[in-house]
Amino acid sequence: DAGVTQSPTHLIKTRGQHVTLRCSPISGHKSVSWYQQVLGQGPQFIFQYYEKEERGRGNFPDRFSARQFPNYSSELNVNALLLGDSALYLCASSPGTSGVNEQFFGPGTRLTVL
Amino acid sequence: SQQGEEDPQALSIQEGENATMNCSYKTSINNLQWYRQNSGRGLVHLILIRSNEREKHSGRLRVTLDTSKKSSSLLITASRAADTASYFCATDGNSNYQLIWGAGTKLIIKP
Repeated sequence: DAGVTQSPTHLIKTRGQHVTLRCSPISGHKSVSWYQQVLGQGPQFIFQYYEKEERGRGNFPDRFSARQFPNYSSELNVNALLLGDSALYLCASSPGTSGVNEQFFGPGTRLTVL
Repeated sequence: SQQGEEDPQALSIQEGENATMNCSYKTSINNLQWYRQNSGRGLVHLILIRSNEREKHSGRLRVTLDTSKKSSSLLITASRAADTASYFCATDGNSNYQLIWGAGTKLIIKP
């Protein structure tokens, strides 16, 4: 079975630009979560979507938005990029039953903002 | 904000030795999870321990949880070069949707 896939693998943008990151969950998983991981730190929770509804949001500005599609894939959008948005963006999927259980992570998208 | 803090920040041991990493957290939890991250395989789930459990084993891994001290430990026995990675603990912080992570322990296994 295919794991979680993310695209693109790497991305270079300049300040002020907009970026869209994409994620396809494991087949049958209805929950997708997004995390930001800055070098040398643990992941920081951004969003979780379940059945196309936002279930939770972390402490990130409104420049960050996401959505989930009927096939459970998801997009993370970041507007007005800042240098500090440079990070590894991770997508994780899970079956989506109650609680936060084992998360299956994709390889991530490495975003560099110049 | 980070919920967990791993200790030590870095650990270097000889192959075959045991490695112990500790994690402390701040709020009540439903479960605590350990993950491994390396450049080759990304972030991988290792083990989940629920708040009503005290110890759990999986292969060469042993995890303990002390909810009264808000702490957990991960023991890797008979370490191998392939265990070289960063290890993170993550808790649900009594939430239904998010994991809160520590900064990780960087483990290096010397041949």
